[in-house]
Amino acid sequence: NAGVMQNPRHLVRRRGQEARLRCSPMKGHSHVYWYRQLPEEGLKFMVYLQKENIIDESGMPKERFSAEFPKEGPSILRIQQVVRGDSAAYFCASSPGGWNQPQHFGDGTRLSIL
Amino acid sequence: DQQVKQNSPSLSVQEGRISILNCDYTNSMFDYFLWYKKYPAEGPTFLISISSIKDKNEDGRFTVFLNKSAKHLSLHIVPSQPGDSAVYFCAASAGNAGNMLTFGGGTRLMVKP
Repeated sequence: NAGVMQNPRHLVRRRGQEARLRCSPMKGHSHVYWYRQLPEEGLKFMVYLQKENIIDESGMPKERFSAEFPKEGPSILRIQQVVRGDSAAYFCASSPGGWNQPQHFGDGTRLSIL
Repeated sequence: DQQVKQNSPSLSVQEGRISILNCDYTNSMFDYFLWYKKYPAEGPTFLISISSIKDKNEDGRFTVFLNKSAKHLSLHIVPSQPGDSAVYFCAASAGNAGNMLTFGGGTRLMVKP
């Protein structure tokens, strides 16, 4: 999984706090995707971004969750007022864009809510 | 509504034999299919993919077969090695939907020495 960098690898928050997850895509990749994996489940799409634009956020919960991919710096997935159900592994993937280009994943951030 | 399904949660194979992992989908708009391998505490690693204009793609020990009429794809690993033991996910995307991936639930492959 070299190339897509996610940090932190582990994040512990108390209920009501904010969680910020960061993702730096592979060099040359301008398309970023966020996925969430709940325990014993497959990965579920959350949001698709290109630089400074949200392309598709159909998988994002309507409240408390937001994402950005600024012109400079990493993509950020922000979860406000976290609840126990937000505990999951959050994976970021990147691709160069275009049809039939595989997405490459980072090693994820494991979020635990106390 | 699971659009991509992997009906076998686990598979056990002897080293040197063939591993066959299966995946079914329901959305006829899917036109690109991928297999990923995942170890615990790591992200999915891309293995092999196939577009809907093909029915077979091969890369070393890995071959993916696509049967569009049956909406079914499979991953063959020959010969299987102990290092192949991992969870395998199939995924699908529709080019006109932004290429976001829809994943199956995964199959845990155990290759016994």
